[in-house]
Amino acid sequence: DAGITQSPRYKITETGRQVTLMCHQTWSHSYMFWYRQDLGHGLRLIYYSAAADITDKGEVPDGYVVSRSKTENFPLTLESATRSQTSVYFCASSEIGASMEQYFGPGTRLTVT
Amino acid sequence: AQKVTQAQTEISVVEKEDVTLDCVYETRDTTYYLFWYKQPPSGELVFLIRRNSFDEQNEISGRYSWNFQKSTSSFNFTITASQVVDSAVYFCALSGNFGNEKLTFGTGTRLTIIP
Repeated sequence: DAGITQSPRYKITETGRQVTLMCHQTWSHSYMFWYRQDLGHGLRLIYYSAAADITDKGEVPDGYVVSRSKTENFPLTLESATRSQTSVYFCASSEIGASMEQYFGPGTRLTVT
Repeated sequence: AQKVTQAQTEISVVEKEDVTLDCVYETRDTTYYLFWYKQPPSGELVFLIRRNSFDEQNEISGRYSWNFQKSTSSFNFTITASQVVDSAVYFCALSGNFGNEKLTFGTGTRLTIIP
């Protein structure tokens, strides 16, 4: 089915481990985004990508790494997970950037113990 | 810097009442875009509306309406004759000129409709 999917949906990991969250979209949208959602903060932009091989930092990029070798995939890696990275992570895509509506994946709930 | 303020953290109303969710924004861009998203208890984020800074016309979609006022930097959302299915967290968001790809969200308003 067309849309945007995230995997895994739930993940528990230990402090210091590397973990990768996957995001896949089938619309061929140019732009993809990663957000984290925390109580009291709403959603905050971590990284975004305007096209394959083009990425840029958002509001809270520290501790995260992204790549985009293919238009449809935008993985987010926590190189050494910390408890402060416990959050719900949402991936989104849009046709021409943040001036247009974004379509969100179902989210990944990550717990770092 | 962009900022979105949703001062109402939680609102509860009885079913069939009208309710307005407030959104105040700050931006230095002359062209900007405002959005509302809904996050029901299931957790997904659903796009509701997009408005650009040059279009101050109010919009109505069924029981939903939006009031955009540049003079007060507000983009308020009203639900008329609320229903239990309207219970959700609602986010207001702001993005700037093309090339500034940072969508700034407010902290959200949790709306509970009491049957």
